[in-house]
Amino acid sequence: GESVGLHLPTLSVQEGDNSIINCAYSNSASDYFIWYKQESGKGPQFIIDIRSNMDKRQGQRVTVLLNKTVKHLSLQIAATQPGDSAVYFCADKPLRTPLVFGKGTRLSVIA
Amino acid sequence: NAGVTQTPKFQVLKTGQSMTLQCAQDMNHEYMSWYRQDPGMGLRLIHYSVGAGITDQGEVPNGYNVSRSTTEDFPLRLLSAAPSQTSVYFCASSYSRREDTPLHFGNGTRLTVT
Repeated sequence: GESVGLHLPTLSVQEGDNSIINCAYSNSASDYFIWYKQESGKGPQFIIDIRSNMDKRQGQRVTVLLNKTVKHLSLQIAATQPGDSAVYFCADKPLRTPLVFGKGTRLSVIA
Repeated sequence: NAGVTQTPKFQVLKTGQSMTLQCAQDMNHEYMSWYRQDPGMGLRLIHYSVGAGITDQGEVPNGYNVSRSTTEDFPLRLLSAAPSQTSVYFCASSYSRREDTPLHFGNGTRLTVT
């Protein structure tokens, strides 16, 4: 079946540095992509999304980049803070099928 | 505006028991879904609904039933609990029936089956 994967299962960054979390998807027909943050004991929380007709989208301190040629998605977090420590999931939406979630990347921020 | 509310937060069942996990949303969302989250497996879709009276199976539907009699509620029933159903269960909803708008998640129900 189709799957969404992550290049790195864990990522440690220094407080104040920028973080980049990567994600690969396999379905070239996917037209919607989304990033979630999950803190311990809580449900996933929406961060940012992007549609396939865009290459880049910016939010507050976060940027999502989409490279459809190589089926790659990345989440950039500027000036990473201790509160950014969490597990980050990407998901993609193939046509006529539900969202497919990746397994997650754990981000640890070192103070 | 409470968002997505799940009850209970924790539950322990014996093998063979049945129970219902409750999910309610107050955002008037058409789309609702249930996921289970297991270590190393990510989120896997159990069942979903695109509106009242309409439900469909996801990736891992066996052993679970759902119904959608109102827009607000989407309960998940375990018919005969098995240890393999030990997991954290999340309910989610979104505005769009096509699931191309952000999902809003509840805080989960942690279920242990002994």
